Amino acid sequence: SQQGEEDPQALSIQEGENATMNCSYKTSINNLQWYRQNSGRGLVHLILIRSNEREKHSGRLRVTLDTSKKSSSLLITASRAADTASYFCATFTNFGNEKLTFGTGTRLTIIP
Amino acid sequence: EAQVTQNPRYLITVTGKKLTVTCSQNMNHEYMSWYRQDPGLGLRQIYYSMNVEVTDKGDVPEGYKVSRKEKRNFPLILESPSPNQTSLYFCASSFVGNYGYTFGSGTRLTVV
Repeated sequence: SQQGEEDPQALSIQEGENATMNCSYKTSINNLQWYRQNSGRGLVHLILIRSNEREKHSGRLRVTLDTSKKSSSLLITASRAADTASYFCATFTNFGNEKLTFGTGTRLTIIP
Repeated sequence: EAQVTQNPRYLITVTGKKLTVTCSQNMNHEYMSWYRQDPGLGLRQIYYSMNVEVTDKGDVPEGYKVSRKEKRNFPLILESPSPNQTSLYFCASSFVGNYGYTFGSGTRLTVV
């Protein structure tokens, strides 16, 4: 079952611009994570934000989490061609059994 | 190098012919999981394992089996593959408590 839903499904921007992707989810979570996937390859973990955190930074990445609205956003600043990939949010719950549930992803294209 | 290794990368098989996709990790992770990725559906969890000899169903377990006899290995078994199991499969692992998954490079399976 899908927990996270990303918005938009696809995004094209010019190199150097900022890219923002949003994620909404349905149930309480322990943490929320963002992953990147280059075409057809394995997912790479980017950043994790815990349910008691509101904002987190890692390099050019900024993630926010609003648990009252059950939503998160991923901002990539000063985008580069190499950022072209699909981005997935994933919600982690640990109420009995651990579970990491992925959304359907945002396809980001950076135009050189 | 810390990694999750899946084999094979590509596999074409015929309906009903049993197959095994192997997954091995060298990070001493307790938690391992299998996902399938299909267009428009994102990643869906097939099975997971919290530790040796402990496995449980994910969201789409029908038609699959797993085993966890050793901590490092978590093979996915399709006893009688069918065309609707044509998909891109990923193995992932992490420490219990989840600080981010490490994914394998994927196995693209085609069942004809």
